[in-house]
Amino acid sequence: GAGVSQSPRYKVAKRGQDVALRCDPISGHVSLFWYQQALGQGPEFLTYFQNEAQLDKSGLPSDRFFAERPEGSVSTLKIQRTQQEDSAVYLCASGFRPSTGGAFYEQYFGPGTRLTVT
Amino acid sequence: GQQLNQSPQSMFIQEGEDVSMNCTSSSIFNTWLWYKQDPGEGPVLLIALYKAGELTSNGRLTAQFGITRKDSFLNISASIPSDVGIYFCAGPGGGADGLTFGKGTHLIIQP
Repeated sequence: GAGVSQSPRYKVAKRGQDVALRCDPISGHVSLFWYQQALGQGPEFLTYFQNEAQLDKSGLPSDRFFAERPEGSVSTLKIQRTQQEDSAVYLCASGFRPSTGGAFYEQYFGPGTRLTVT
Repeated sequence: GQQLNQSPQSMFIQEGEDVSMNCTSSSIFNTWLWYKQDPGEGPVLLIALYKAGELTSNGRLTAQFGITRKDSFLNISASIPSDVGIYFCAGPGGGADGLTFGKGTHLIIQP
């Protein structure tokens, strides 16, 4: 079946521009996560949705970062007034378990969007 | 947050050799996961571990959940060129619900 898809795969933005990154999770997965991966590092958690509810946004680095999942499927990560330090790969992951417990953490990642802010 | 330390940072091995890498945490984990990431792609889940002492295999890959619950190990037997990539360990601790990842072990195979 289809995996997690993300678009665009690459985005170049000038400093100060707003960007929107899209994630299409695996059909039927209730959990959706966004991560940020800097060059040479592991992914770092940004935010988590269960269906349409954003249950955890503790990893968002500033109020310029905003995520939504209005119908409980597709999600958008928006970054306002981009800065050079926002340059990274943004990964989306989905999972089928709605609650905490071992299998909750089996997350399936998309290919990522590489954002470069110039 | 949780700290995961992976070692080695990188490995240069010959095709056909066995590979061992490990991951340690600063606190107890109830779940360990191992992912592989190829260039330009997202991480792919290899093995998930849920019980201290558990040993789980996926083809040529074997992972163990350490009995102290603060470490995990991944072994790859008879490496082949497609094993090249970055291997990440991960566990609960990214926020309240996400994963926290190590910095990865970069595996390079010389034919």
